[in-house]
Amino acid sequence: AQSVTQLDSQVPVFEEAPVELRCNYSSSVSVYLFWYVQYPNQGLQLLLKYLSGSTLVKGINGFEAEFNKSQTSFHLRKPSVHISDTAEYFCAVSTGRRALTFGSGTRLQVQP
Amino acid sequence: EPEVTQTPSHQVTQMGQEVILRCVPISNHLYFYWYRQILGQKVEFLVSFYNNEISEKSEIFDDQFSVERPDGSNFTLKIRSTKLEDSAMYFCASSWTAETQYFGPGTRLLVL
Repeated sequence: AQSVTQLDSQVPVFEEAPVELRCNYSSSVSVYLFWYVQYPNQGLQLLLKYLSGSTLVKGINGFEAEFNKSQTSFHLRKPSVHISDTAEYFCAVSTGRRALTFGSGTRLQVQP
Repeated sequence: EPEVTQTPSHQVTQMGQEVILRCVPISNHLYFYWYRQILGQKVEFLVSFYNNEISEKSEIFDDQFSVERPDGSNFTLKIRSTKLEDSAMYFCASSWTAETQYFGPGTRLLVL
């Protein structure tokens, strides 16, 4: 079985500052990795995904993530955040065509 | 852009009552899922559905739960006799290849 750990439950950051949201996973087999974002009172929106190929993946809204197999990590980064990036961010993993296992989420709070 | 839709957005019910949550997956998607998120907790997998049968289910998905695809567009989750602990946000998701899942906005279920 796989598991996902999001090390930070909350990340406060000032507008236009860079941010990194950390995600580590555990699995005995190859995985697919995802970041989803949940804006207040909304559903889960796919930010980006790693299925195979280049370990640096770019997503929507200027976010990117890097798959590091040796460190079993998939950290999410953005060089300059906006107030509108305030949301809950979920890292998720699946093994092939299986159910997603989610982390507990990181609340990104962007302050002016 | 095609989206997964869910109805109702909110439902309040009495303990012991049956509820049916409805989802319209993205057209031409073949894989369908239900997840739930109890307030303040992780998003948890319930069940996946493919080719008119359950392909995977979690230990949460007991005999009180059932899923159905009654026609070519809807995908439903039925809870036969609701309990207080069924109060949660329920998310439907769909996928074309089972590699990437797209989520609906959710139904917030409150059991009194």
